[in-house]
Formats: sequence, C-alpha cells, structure tokens
Amino acid sequence: DVVLTQSPLSLPVTLGQPASISCRSSETLVHSDGRTFFNWFQQRPGQSPRRLIYQVSKRDSGVPDRFSGSGSGTEFTLKISRVEAEDVGVYFCMQSAHWPRTFGQGTKVEI
Amino acid sequence: EIQVVESGGGLVQPGGSLRLSCAVSGFSFSSAWMSWGRQAPGKGLEWVGHITSKSDGATTEYAAPVKGRFSISRDDSKNMLFLQMNSLKSEDTAVYYCITHDAADLNQWGLGTLVTVSS
Repeated sequence: DVVLTQSPLSLPVTLGQPASISCRSSETLVHSDGRTFFNWFQQRPGQSPRRLIYQVSKRDSGVPDRFSGSGSGTEFTLKISRVEAEDVGVYFCMQSAHWPRTFGQGTKVEI
Repeated sequence: EIQVVESGGGLVQPGGSLRLSCAVSGFSFSSAWMSWGRQAPGKGLEWVGHITSKSDGATTEYAAPVKGRFSISRDDSKNMLFLQMNSLKSEDTAVYYCITHDAADLNQWGLGTLVTVSS
C-alpha cells in the first residue's frame, strides 16, 4: 500500500499568519495520463471530512483562495496564506492514484 | 446540493453483524462510484471499500482489514448504498462514512454513523 507521511503532525498557528503542511508519498502518484491524483481534506472539530484540493492544486468549489496546493511526484504541500479561526481542525492528505486509497496521519492545526 | 445521510450504526457484540445504509440525493447516483470510509475514535481516516456504477459492472473492492467480512451493495432505484458488516471485531469500532465520487475520486462525505463493537 502507498504510505503517506505528513509533517508536522501538530501545527500551532497565529491568526493572519501563513501555515504549511507537507505530505510525502512512498510511491509516485502520477497516472499514465499525466495527471497526479493527490488530495487534501479538512476535518473541522465535530464535522465530516471535506475535500479542499484535488489533483495537487485544484481547489474545490467554495474553498477560499487562501488555500493552495502544490507539489509533484511524491512531495506535496498545502499552504494557508493567512490563517483564520475557521481553519482550525485536522488536515489529511490522500492519494487516489492506487488502490487501496490511503491517507496521511493527519495534521492538527490549532491557534 | 449533494446530501449524504448514513444510518444503521449502533452497538454490536464481537462476531455480530450490522448493515449500514446511506441515502444520497442531489446528484446522479446511478452513474457514480461510491465508497465507504471509517474513522476510529480519535484516529485517522481509512478507506473501507467501493462499488462502481452499474455501467462499470457494479464491481466492488475492499481494504485488506475488512475483505471477506464486509460487503457493499447499491440500489440505484432508491439512491441507496449499503454496507453489510459481518464477523465484527473490536477494531471495527469507528464512525462509518458514505462517500460520493466525482471525476477526481473521493469527494463528499456524509455525516457518519457510529458503530461500536463491544461485549
């Protein structure tokens, strides 16, 4: 199975300041068609996971543009340009290039 | 707006069975792949299995920990997804989520239903 390793696992942040989460994959996530199947999910306290980013850098509908995804191959990053209070929660990376789908351990973002 | 609502969770003894249901509305269910995922208390996310659309053969795949014990099915006439769980173990205790797929794979997660396996 593809192993996704996130860092850090805990991220204290300051409102209005940037934040960054990394995710490393044990295998390339590049499909034969050239697309890279890598996603970021946000799980706010007491809520279900919500997809923020798909195919490395594409934001889902309704996701604020302060969230951005980047990376390639096996190294990926989620950046929040200016953290807001509603961004508190756990962020998971997920690969959808291989079966079984696998997730990173999660990064807890707290003020 | 897509709505995904799971039901059927509860307390079950080890070795027992439980059937979860998921009602989906607001999108083209019959043409969509669907997955189940789970999250043990205070833990991370785990993909449980998926079922393809009928046009893709309604085939199923499962994660290793549940293969041979869990079974996913669908009723496109009712926009319903099911998860039959047999031979339940304590490590199956989790919130179970029904998840829609889009062209980019796993997309919207339901509210979840808690399954507790304990004597």
